Amino acid sequence: EVQLVESGGGLVQPGGSLRLSCVASGFTLSSYWMHWVRQAPGKGPVWVSRIHSDGTDTRYADSVRGRFTVSRDSAKNTLYLQMNSLRAEDTAVYYCARGRNGDYAFDYWGQGSLVTVSS
Amino acid sequence: SYELTQPLSVSVALGQTARITCGGNNIGGRNVHWYRQKPGQAPVLVIYRDNNRPSGIPERFSGSNSGNTATLTISRAQGGDEADYYCQVWDSSSAYVFGTGTKVTVL
Repeated sequence: EVQLVESGGGLVQPGGSLRLSCVASGFTLSSYWMHWVRQAPGKGPVWVSRIHSDGTDTRYADSVRGRFTVSRDSAKNTLYLQMNSLRAEDTAVYYCARGRNGDYAFDYWGQGSLVTVSS
Repeated sequence: SYELTQPLSVSVALGQTARITCGGNNIGGRNVHWYRQKPGQAPVLVIYRDNNRPSGIPERFSGSNSGNTATLTISRAQGGDEADYYCQVWDSSSAYVFGTGTKVTVL
């Protein structure tokens, strides 16, 4: 059974940093494109970042480029999102999601991790 | 940037058919995916590539896509179908784009 479990969210002050983790089970992380998608309270999902199955090719939304870094540890089958210089507008539930092979859909999602940026 | 527009809400009587639209410039030339999200839960893929259902999604869910509008159809609506629904496409410049979302209410 495919499962994605996020952790690492919490309350952080503006300008601070946080690292989210997403442990995958039931499949091999390095065989898929993996993504981070966030959802601010009462809003729709917004794509944040993705890492190619080769582990080297990454892409970011304009709103986080230069501040967020996506990476993975294949040995631990774990995806990460390092978030620096956090802003109030980064407050959201962050989901890791698996990219469906062959198209640009997200076929499995984690339960989400809440990040709150506030002083 | 590419934008997808959905109606804010759709109401459907129990057992009837709900249609949720997703408007975008020449969206018919793109693959459209649909997600269902219940309160407090993560989104779930219900349709991929316009009209394909993942395993475990009932046949009551179907999709179509042509011109400037994609449509998710829920036949024989049930109370458990109440949720927010989002369309999504990929765009070469905007990357992964989600629609504005539609709240479906079953009366």
